[in-house]
Amino acid sequence: ETGVTQSPTHLIKTRGQQVTLRCSSQSGHNTVSWYQQALGQGPQFIFQYYREEENGRGNFPPRFSGLQFPNYSSELNVNALELDDSALYLCASSLDERSADTQYFGPGTRLTVL
Amino acid sequence: GDSVTQMEGPVTLSEEAFLTINCTYTATGYPSLFWYVQYPGEGLQLLLKATKADDKGSNKGFEATYRKETTSFHLEKGSVQVSDSAVYFCALYTGNQFYFGTGTSLTVIP
Repeated sequence: ETGVTQSPTHLIKTRGQQVTLRCSSQSGHNTVSWYQQALGQGPQFIFQYYREEENGRGNFPPRFSGLQFPNYSSELNVNALELDDSALYLCASSLDERSADTQYFGPGTRLTVL
Repeated sequence: GDSVTQMEGPVTLSEEAFLTINCTYTATGYPSLFWYVQYPGEGLQLLLKATKADDKGSNKGFEATYRKETTSFHLEKGSVQVSDSAVYFCALYTGNQFYFGTGTSLTVIP
């Protein structure tokens, strides 16, 4: 069983730009969640997708958006980047929404906004 | 709103010492409670969980008991090893999202 992978590992952008981060879930996992982890903080829930539909959202503005694809991959898109968006972005997959409490995390993408 | 408060670090212990990392929570309803661990250079991993009051989660010598009366889920280990050095996160799951604490860094010295 393959693990959760994320790309790229590191990314540097400037304020105002747009970024797309990618995640490949464990095979067979229909649910993916995205988190933002600022330095020295715990992960904060951005949103969750189940079978390609948004299934829950944390306290993040609409410029944070996502997509989930049938091949167990997903994307996090952030528009109009701000300096405070600099963080580690984590995705986590789970088998389905009923077992969403058992999630497997990827290693993360470190985003730096200058 | 729902939240988790955990003991601030960093914590430094000698090998074989007893470990306690405190975690308290605020939640409506009946959340599930978790401890995650992040080893240096690795992603978050589930360490243990408890889904209802008085449940005890355990794994790799670590234990935590879901205490509804004190809204706590403290992590304990009787004898830590150097390999336990990591950042530990307490978390709760309300049925539609996770809430994480800020993490406690543990360093175990030989």
